[in-house]
Amino acid sequence: GIQVEQSPPDLILQEGANSTLRCNFSDSVNNLQWFHQNPWGQLINLFYIPSGTKQNGRLSATTVATERYSLLYISSSQTTDSGVYFCAVTPPYNFNKFYFGSGTKLNVKP
Amino acid sequence: EADIYQTPRYLVIGTGKKITLECSQTMGHDKMYWYQQDPGMELHLIHYSYGVNSTEKGDLSSESTVSRIRTEHFPLTLESARPSHTSQYLCASSDRGQSSGNTIYFGEGSWLTVV
Repeated sequence: GIQVEQSPPDLILQEGANSTLRCNFSDSVNNLQWFHQNPWGQLINLFYIPSGTKQNGRLSATTVATERYSLLYISSSQTTDSGVYFCAVTPPYNFNKFYFGSGTKLNVKP
Repeated sequence: EADIYQTPRYLVIGTGKKITLECSQTMGHDKMYWYQQDPGMELHLIHYSYGVNSTEKGDLSSESTVSRIRTEHFPLTLESARPSHTSQYLCASSDRGQSSGNTIYFGEGSWLTVV
């Protein structure tokens, strides 16, 4: 299967700071999603981004499929951004199979 | 966002009890999944279904069972709960086909504590 590695594993920010989260994957993918897991455990879809760049408010994401990585940018962080960020990919030979990274735990301090 | 619902959200039960976690989605998705996750840790796939009357075990061995009698419904059952089953259980579904991106959506999760 595909190996998905996320970095950093833990991140502490002061409110207002910017950050970049990274997701590396070991093989070609036809799907990449970013999620935010809130303190109550719910996984919220942030982006579906198999390639290119997307922006949604203070969040943006870029996937460079040929180099097998994706980046999630958080600007002007807020305490509500705290939680765990996961990326998930599916390979072209089995787009029903989702491979998740182990997550980046973000703590934004006031 | 997604229309996928899980009940109960929180449950505390005694060892040896039988429990069914309910999951329903109203999006008409063929594919549904159950993941087990300890707080802030990796997600582990325990069961999945590609359609009615189709169920498969996932990557993580689990003592639970599932059924898929209707497209919208994918319940998970523990016949005899143990403290090691204490965890969060996340139900998910995904849309069809590469053209639509095959996006996966999650329910709010069911927190199970076995005492």
